[in-house]
Amino acid sequence: SQQGEEDPQALSIQEGENATMNCSYKTSINNLQWYRQNSGRGLVHLILIRSNEREKHSGRLRVTLDTSKKSSSLLITASRAADTASYFCATVDNAGNNRKLIWGLGTSLAVNP
Amino acid sequence: DGGITQSPKYLFRKEGQNVTLSCEQNLNHDAMYWYRQDPGQGLRLIYYSQIVNDFQKGDIAEGYSVSREKKESFPLTVTSAQKNPTAFYLCASRQAGNSPLHFGNGTRLTVT
Repeated sequence: SQQGEEDPQALSIQEGENATMNCSYKTSINNLQWYRQNSGRGLVHLILIRSNEREKHSGRLRVTLDTSKKSSSLLITASRAADTASYFCATVDNAGNNRKLIWGLGTSLAVNP
Repeated sequence: DGGITQSPKYLFRKEGQNVTLSCEQNLNHDAMYWYRQDPGQGLRLIYYSQIVNDFQKGDIAEGYSVSREKKESFPLTVTSAQKNPTAFYLCASRQAGNSPLHFGNGTRLTVT
């Protein structure tokens, strides 16, 4: 079952611009994770934010979490052509069920040089 | 380097044949997962295993089977009972708890 929904589905920007992707979910969560997938490859974990956290940073990535709105955003600053990929959010339910990583459909980001 | 290896990268089979996809990890992770990814869709869980000699069905287990005889290995068999087997298959692992997943680079299976 899918609960995360990313928007936009696709995003095209110029190198140097910022890219913002949003993720909404439906149930109470333990944590929310963002992953990146280059075309034809596996996913790579970017950031995990716990339900009691509101913001996390990692290099050029900034993730926010609003549990009252059941939403998260991923901001990539000063984008590069190498950031071109699909980005997925995934949530872990509040029971901390180890298997229940619920995936969104992803945002496809194209960064044009 | 520690990681997850999926092989082969591309696999072609005729309809009616069973096929086994390999997944090996040297991360010493207890939990392993198989996902299926179709164009425009998120990941769907096929099977998962939290410990050797134990595994559970995911959301779309019909037509698939797995084994977990060793901690490092979690092969997936796509049987002839799977009606739409053509897809991109991803294997992942993680340590116990809610730690992030580590993924292999996938196997693209085409059945004609």
